[in-house]
Amino acid sequence: KAGVTQTPRYLIKTRGQQVTLSCSPISGHRSVSWYQQTPGQGLQFLFEYFSETQRNKGNFPGRFSGRQFSNSRSEMNVSTLELGDSALYLCASSLDVQETQYFGPGTRLLVL
Amino acid sequence: DAKTTQPNSMESNEEEPVHLPCNHSTISGTDYIHWYRQLPSQGPEYVIHGLTSNVNNRMASLAIAEDRKSSTLILHRATLRDAAVYYCILNKWANFGNEKLTFGTGTRLTIIP
Repeated sequence: KAGVTQTPRYLIKTRGQQVTLSCSPISGHRSVSWYQQTPGQGLQFLFEYFSETQRNKGNFPGRFSGRQFSNSRSEMNVSTLELGDSALYLCASSLDVQETQYFGPGTRLLVL
Repeated sequence: DAKTTQPNSMESNEEEPVHLPCNHSTISGTDYIHWYRQLPSQGPEYVIHGLTSNVNNRMASLAIAEDRKSSTLILHRATLRDAAVYYCILNKWANFGNEKLTFGTGTRLTIIP
């Protein structure tokens, strides 16, 4: 089976812009979660989707949003980018919400 | 949330076993113990998880203390590909849909050829 794929792998944006990141889960997986990883904060949970519904949300501002499509693919959007949003954004999928998660390679976002 | 404590770094010779320790003295009875690893420029990779009994899979073994306050990830024969940061994480589910969860700093494992 193909693993979790994320696009794009690298992205450079400027402050104030918005960005959309995409995640394709492993075939058959219905749960998708997003995480932000930075050297200082480690890996922090953003949100989780299951069957197109957001089930959990982390402590991030409303500028961070996401959605899941009927084929389980997911997107996350960050509006009004700030320098502090520079990070590795990871997507993880699992068969169900209580199953082991498998991570994608991540999208590295740099905000200038 | 229950916390875990791991050494910042460890070194091991190639083709020798590696024992990576993790202390979790405040673990609750329903917490699963998970291990993930992250290779450079990649997302975290699932290694193994367990609840009470020792677990084995094709990648590693997980030895859980009888009181569950510590655990050890065992790589039976380290290869250069095993060089990574290893994270020990507790969660009440096998999944990580938990807003409070962070991976922490983990143990950076260096394999010496």
